Amino acid sequence: KAGVTQTPRYLIKTRGQQVTLSCSPISGHRSVSWYQQTPGQGLQFLFEYFSETQRNKGNFPGRFSGRQFSNSRSEMNVSTLELGDSALYLCASSLTGLSSGNTIYFGEGSWLTVV
Amino acid sequence: DQQVKQNSPSLSVQEGRISILNCDYTNSMFDYFLWYKKYPAEGPTFLISISSIKDKNEDGRFTVFLNKSAKHLSLHIVPSQPGDSAVYFCAAPLRDTDKLIFGTGTRLQVFP
Repeated sequence: KAGVTQTPRYLIKTRGQQVTLSCSPISGHRSVSWYQQTPGQGLQFLFEYFSETQRNKGNFPGRFSGRQFSNSRSEMNVSTLELGDSALYLCASSLTGLSSGNTIYFGEGSWLTVV
Repeated sequence: DQQVKQNSPSLSVQEGRISILNCDYTNSMFDYFLWYKKYPAEGPTFLISISSIKDKNEDGRFTVFLNKSAKHLSLHIVPSQPGDSAVYFCAAPLRDTDKLIFGTGTRLQVFP
């Protein structure tokens, strides 16, 4: 069974631009969450979606947004990119979410570099 | 406020010996804990979990111990293998949310 798939794997953007990252969860998984990993802050929760609704949100500015489609695929968007947004963005999926006691499984991530 | 802490940033162990990775937490609202292993430029891979009502869970070479009174858990890998060299994160979901709180990670190096 295919794992969590993220695209693109690597990308370079310029300050001020916007970026969209895509995530396809494991088949049958309906919860998708996003995390940011940076050397300084470690792994931090961005948001979580279930049945096309955002259920949980981390402490990130409004420039970070996401959505989930009816097939459970998800996208996250970062607008007005800043140098500090350079990070590994990880998508994770689970059957119905951590609050149901599920384990979440991560994709390989999308490396974003902002120059 | 770091609710999940891994105070050892790195650990070096000889192949065949036991690796012990430690994790402390401050929030009593965690109902279970997970350990993930991460290679550079890859996503974390789930290793093993433990419910807060248990004190031990074992899966092959991996055993996790939970000491609730001390708010401490540890991951034991025995015997350690060179392929175990990676960064290990402990994590816990915040109760009634889907937010996973990660520790800062411990880099394990297993040498021959």
